[in-house]
Amino acid sequence: KAGVTQTPRYLIKTRGQQVTLSCSPISGHRSVSWYQQTPGQGLQFLFEYFSETQRNKGNFPGRFSGRQFSNSRSEMNVSTLELGDSALYLCASSFTLAGFSTDTQYFGPGTRLTVL
Amino acid sequence: QQQVKQSPQSLIVQKGGISIINCAYENTAFDYFPWYQQFPGKGPALLIAIRPDVSEKKEGRFTISFNKSAKQFSLHIMDSQPGDSATYFCAAGTNFGNEKLTFGTGTRLTIIP
Repeated sequence: KAGVTQTPRYLIKTRGQQVTLSCSPISGHRSVSWYQQTPGQGLQFLFEYFSETQRNKGNFPGRFSGRQFSNSRSEMNVSTLELGDSALYLCASSFTLAGFSTDTQYFGPGTRLTVL
Repeated sequence: QQQVKQSPQSLIVQKGGISIINCAYENTAFDYFPWYQQFPGKGPALLIAIRPDVSEKKEGRFTISFNKSAKQFSLHIMDSQPGDSATYFCAAGTNFGNEKLTFGTGTRLTIIP
């Protein structure tokens, strides 16, 4: 079974631009979570989607948004990029049964975003 | 507010030794405690996880010890090998539909020959 895939793997943007990152979960996984990883803050939870609905949200500004499609693929968007948005953005998927989690989150390799 | 505190930040252990990484949490609602291993250029991969109904879980050379009253848990890597050199993250979460994990800040482990 293929793992979680994320595209693109690397992105370079300038301040003020917007960016869209994509995540394809493991087949059969309906929950997709996004995390931001930086050297100073570690891994921080952005949001989680299940069945096309945002179910949980972390403490990030409204510039960070996401969505999930009917095939469970998810996109994350960051508008008006700031230098501090430079980070590794990780997507994780997990299997859920009747809406309940089996806990294990499987991470993709991440998208490295650099904001100049 | 950081809810999961991890120490040490970095650790150097000789090959064959025991590596110990500690974590402490604050939120008593947490009921799931996984450890993730991350190699450079890769996403974190689940290593081992524990629930608070047991005090210890062992998988191969990796053991989690859990102290519910102290709200602490630790990862022990026995017979540490150079291939274990990676960054380790502890995390905490709640079950039943809540996919959010709160991570520690990570420990960079280096195993020297």
